[in-house]
Amino acid sequence: DVKVTQSSRYLVKRTGEKVFLECVQDMDHENMFWYRQDPGLGLRLIYFSYDVKMKEKGDIPEGYSVSREKKERFSLILESASTNQTSMYLCASSLMDTEAFFGQGTRLTVV
Amino acid sequence: AQRVTQPEKLLSVFKGAPVELKCNYSYSGSPELFWYVQYSRQRLQLLLRHISRESIKGFTADLNKGETSFHLKKPFAQEEDSAMYYCALSGRTSGTYKYIFGTGTRLKVLA
Repeated sequence: DVKVTQSSRYLVKRTGEKVFLECVQDMDHENMFWYRQDPGLGLRLIYFSYDVKMKEKGDIPEGYSVSREKKERFSLILESASTNQTSMYLCASSLMDTEAFFGQGTRLTVV
Repeated sequence: AQRVTQPEKLLSVFKGAPVELKCNYSYSGSPELFWYVQYSRQRLQLLLRHISRESIKGFTADLNKGETSFHLKKPFAQEEDSAMYYCALSGRTSGTYKYIFGTGTRLKVLA
């Protein structure tokens, strides 16, 4: 019963490429989030969205943008990938102040 | 600023010993507090939340508003408890909604 699905488990991209990470949820949640997970740094919030076409910056938005055209889909965009964006990216969704459901993660390597 | 602090990166205990994973938070308001767990090769999932006051897999967590802490405890650790644990909070402040995580504590339960 997978509820949050990220389009790729592993990605390898070249420096300077535009990268799209896709996330879909089937729980009709209004909130969706993108985090990056790095050893010793935990989960850091990149962007989140609380409604279609609405977005707010998290703690580390630099170098990223997002798109939410439909309620169930939240995309993370790396405009020009750099090696310091090599990381595990996690998507999550939730209702307000409730459990967040996570995707399986996308491990992105930028070479 | 909102912050979740987990002071220990790694906690090693022997099977059957008590466990306490520390979590302190900084938040101007009344946040919802959560513990999430990530077992090896699995997605991040909710372990428990303070509002439910449940004991899950033998774990409990008490919210101490005076000390702004939400420590996770288990009286007798089991090997299957070995995992990465994240403390998290959600809430709205200054008109912005946040769902933020600590840096995580890796728990290793030794046989």
